[in-house]
Amino acid sequence: GAVVSQHPSRVICKSGTSVKIECRSLDFQATTMFWYRQFPKQSLMLMATSNEGSKATYEQGVEKDKFLINHASLTLSTLTVTSAHPEDSSFYICSAPSEGWNTEAFFGQGTRLTVV
Amino acid sequence: RKEVEQDPGPFNVPEGATVAFNCTYSNSASQSFFWYRQDCRKEPKLLMSVYSSGNEDGRFTAQLNRASQYISLLIRDSKLSDSATYLCVVRNNRKLIWGLGTSLAVNP
Repeated sequence: GAVVSQHPSRVICKSGTSVKIECRSLDFQATTMFWYRQFPKQSLMLMATSNEGSKATYEQGVEKDKFLINHASLTLSTLTVTSAHPEDSSFYICSAPSEGWNTEAFFGQGTRLTVV
Repeated sequence: RKEVEQDPGPFNVPEGATVAFNCTYSNSASQSFFWYRQDCRKEPKLLMSVYSSGNEDGRFTAQLNRASQYISLLIRDSKLSDSATYLCVVRNNRKLIWGLGTSLAVNP
């Protein structure tokens, strides 16, 4: 089946620095990528939808200047957490939707971000 | 009201028990329904899609009631390896809306 590779799987950074998370679709072209955040004991919350060749669509309450999304090619979408703070520590995960209505989405492995 | 609601649990059951999870969704126009399983610090993995006619996969049975906007998952003969968080997921157009998840712990 289709594979989405997410990197890094874990990152620890200092407050104020920026962190880039990459998601690559390995054997298919992903025109759309969803970016989620999951805090402990919480559900996955959609942050934004990246679209190849156009601006990302952000969900209400998500700061677009803080969470920079780039979808420069059909196989790569990136999320950059800028000026990270401890409250940004979370599990970030990307997902490429499937075309069929009753088939699964394809998930990256997730990135556990810890800001110290 | 949340778009997808689940009882977060935790459910603690002995091996061999039968356990049922319920989920309700608010958008009657939702098109597709799924149960995902998520292990700690891992990405969610599809357990099964859910259909109005009901569907079964081994020990797992899922049911959808569109009139009541209700989804269920039944696990029979629980195994230790079933311990995880079970996420009810509803698809509206291309977006997946996730429930909070129900935590299951199967004990020896």
